[in-house]
Parts: sequence; structure tokens; C-alpha cells
Amino acid sequence: GNSVTQMEGPVTLSEEAFLTINCTYTATGYPSLFWYVQYPGEGLQLLLKATKADDKGSNKGFEATYRKETTSFHLEKGSVQVSDSAVYFCALSSNTGNQFYFGTGTSLTVIP
Amino acid sequence: KAGVTQTPRYLIKTRGQQVTLSCSPISGHRSVSWYQQTPGQGLQFLFEYFSETQRNKGNFPGRFSGRQFSNSRSEMNVSTLELGDSALYLCASSFDSGRSYNEQFFGPGTRLTVL
Repeated sequence: GNSVTQMEGPVTLSEEAFLTINCTYTATGYPSLFWYVQYPGEGLQLLLKATKADDKGSNKGFEATYRKETTSFHLEKGSVQVSDSAVYFCALSSNTGNQFYFGTGTSLTVIP
Repeated sequence: KAGVTQTPRYLIKTRGQQVTLSCSPISGHRSVSWYQQTPGQGLQFLFEYFSETQRNKGNFPGRFSGRQFSNSRSEMNVSTLELGDSALYLCASSFDSGRSYNEQFFGPGTRLTVL
């Protein structure tokens, strides 16, 4: 079956620190992979995506590379800001329909 | 384009009651999915509707049901509410062009509290 496992939080970093949030997946077929972000009191917003192996998704300084050999899609950012404080969700979309599978979310707090 | 809207934003109900939540997708989107978000279980998929038909279903009891109208608006209903149904219910819509992936756009959610 399909599932996503992501790094447990919460994560607390100082401003300008390097961020990595680990995400691994199990899937049948060839899924697409996503990172969503949820700011307090809001719904989820798409942060970046990758649709095939070796694709790199990037947005707002965040990056993640679709690694089929390690079934991973780790999120990275070189220098976090206070405004990056949010909950980050890794997700996969099966290629058989419109069903998404989400990880449990990782809460990130960035302190000045 | 207006985003996904959900109404109401907040609801308080008591055990045993039933509740109906509404979701209006982005114009032109035909797929609507519903999720339950709780601190303990994270985001759990409830069901997905496409062109008024339930296309995918998660692992929730029959007390949770939904429907989609011809204008793609969707409602979900929870009957005989239990304390454990307290959660943020998120709706997401997508265009579903038939490609292997379809980006989902989320609404702000309905916060349901069951007392």
C-alpha cells in the first residue's frame, strides 16, 4: 500500500540555520511527491512538488529531490526565517486516482 | 480566482447530534476531497468525489458520508457525533486533468468541537 513517514517534531531552529525534514515513502507504481505547509489557523498550501524520479522541486528557498532509490523526498532550506514557522506535511499522490497520502506533519519553530 | 471556501468555519455540537459541512471548490475543479485533521492522528483521508460520484474512500465508519452536487460543491455529514469526532475538517479541490498527479488546493477548514 501507499504511506508516508516523516520526521517527528517539533523542530526548533535559530534564524538562518539549515533545515532538513526527512520524508520517506512506500508506494506502488510511480507516485508524485509533495510538500505542503500549514500556517497557524489556515489550511494547507502547496510548497513544492516532484512528479518523477530525480526531479527537484523548489520554492521560496525550499528544495526537495525525488529519490527513487532511497524512496525519500527530504525537505531542505539553507537559511530559515521566523516566517517559516509552520507545520510541514510530506505527501504522495497515487497514479491511480486523486488520492493523497500525508505524513503526520512536522512542526517547525524558528526563533530570532 | 477565488480559493476553496468552507462553511461554517467553527461549529460546536453535542454528542449524538449530526452535522453537515460545506465546501465550494475552485471554479472549474471537479474533484473534491475531505480530510480529518487531529493532533493525534494527523491528516486522514475521508473520501473523494468526482463528477458527483464517490471515487475514493478512506477508512472511516459509515457515520461519515458525503455528496457532491452538479456544480461540484460538496457536503459532508457526520451523524451520531462522538467526542472523538472533534477535529479540523479540511476540504481540497483539484482540476483532475487525467495526468498522473493533481495538485490539491485546500480550504481553511471547519473546526468541529463535540461536547
